[in-house]
Amino acid sequence: GQSLEQPSEVTAVEGAIVQINCTYQTSGFYGLSWYQQHDGGAPTFLSYNALDGLEETGRFSSFLSRSDSYGYLLLQELQMKDSASYFCAGCGSSNTGKLIFGQGTTLQVKP
Amino acid sequence: EPEVTQTPSHQVTQMGQEVILRCVPISNHLYFYWYRQILGQKVEFLVSFYNNEISEKSEIFDDQFSVERPDGSNFTLKIRSTKLEDSAMYFCASTSAREQGTGELFFGEGSRLTVL
Repeated sequence: GQSLEQPSEVTAVEGAIVQINCTYQTSGFYGLSWYQQHDGGAPTFLSYNALDGLEETGRFSSFLSRSDSYGYLLLQELQMKDSASYFCAGCGSSNTGKLIFGQGTTLQVKP
Repeated sequence: EPEVTQTPSHQVTQMGQEVILRCVPISNHLYFYWYRQILGQKVEFLVSFYNNEISEKSEIFDDQFSVERPDGSNFTLKIRSTKLEDSAMYFCASTSAREQGTGELFFGEGSRLTVL
């Protein structure tokens, strides 16, 4: 089957750096995406990795290692507004764009 | 900025009733999706739709569910006979051909369905 595992909760302080890990068990994912969700609202796209390595987008970076079936999202210079749930999502089909989501990690940023 | 809009934002229904959830995807997008999220759980894929037909569906999307694009703008999800376990937030999403290949979907704010 296809599954993605993430820690359920992470806590960090404002201004710090936090890393949210995602390991997956599947064959056929052609990429790994990351989404942010505030208070059960619309998931919002953050980042995508198709190839191994690091992708940087402002304060957010995402990493993928296909050989290890592992990725992470790195958030730098944490702000209070970064408190949210973060989901990794495997891109399961290049024809349909279907995403398979992990369980999500709730990030709490403290002052 | 273009966005996906969904109605209603919240619907309460009795078990066994039919429900239609409506979505207006972003206008130049070609790929459409429905996902659901039971409270506190992960976002689950239901169905993808392209070129006026279902391109993929999950095990959750059984015969009680159907999707339709009745005109050039709306995309609907119908649940024929609701069950208690259908209570969830239902998200519509859309994407373009280019963004579909990069894992970027644009989600609406969701329709919360409560089945009593």
